[in-house]
Amino acid sequence: EPEVTQTPSHQVTQMGQEVILRCVPISNHLYFYWYRQILGQKVEFLVSFYNNEISEKSEIFDDQFSVERPDGSNFTLKIRSTKLEDSAMYFCASSMARDRGQTGELFFGEGSRLTVL
Amino acid sequence: AQTVTQSQPEMSVQEAETVTLSCTYDTSENNYYLFWYKQPPSRQMILVIRQEAYKQQNATENRFSVNFQKAAKSFSLKISDSQLGDTAMYFCAFMKTQGGSEKLVFGKGTKLTVNP
Repeated sequence: EPEVTQTPSHQVTQMGQEVILRCVPISNHLYFYWYRQILGQKVEFLVSFYNNEISEKSEIFDDQFSVERPDGSNFTLKIRSTKLEDSAMYFCASSMARDRGQTGELFFGEGSRLTVL
Repeated sequence: AQTVTQSQPEMSVQEAETVTLSCTYDTSENNYYLFWYKQPPSRQMILVIRQEAYKQQNATENRFSVNFQKAAKSFSLKISDSQLGDTAMYFCAFMKTQGGSEKLVFGKGTKLTVNP
């Protein structure tokens, strides 16, 4: 069964360093997402991406964050200069386009745990 | 803004018994979707069950069913004949039907343990 894969599963970095989290969505999906979960807190929406551009982003997704789909398969989240509060589990998800008003199910990856020291 | 509240951080149930997980939400939208996602230990979140707000009939998927009370903004999940493999975090989530992307708003989750 196709699934969303994420790498790395765990990354430890120093504050101020750049981090890139990678995701391979399901191949025929058109919508891509990043969510994050700080330990003990809710899973929060960061950004959605469709047709090679950001379709929606939360207020968490500031100028330090960026996303891109460089080669048609990978979907990456870059944090330019990490802060301690960026420590969290980051989940990638993908879905097919909506059809006749039916929402597409989101398929999630296993997550990438980011620890900022 | 929408909010989703899961008031039970942890629950446990004996194998083969029935358990109900609570979820309430707040929204001014009339049309929306509600979901329960399951996240087993060290595994990805998977969709358990989905409910469209315009449908009065409660969704059912095998041993999983919901009690959707739109007026009360309540969306509980009932797991019948609990199995050891049901042990997981369960997240309730909300999605608007309007707008291009499919942004989910999650609750904090309920950790369910099924005991043998």
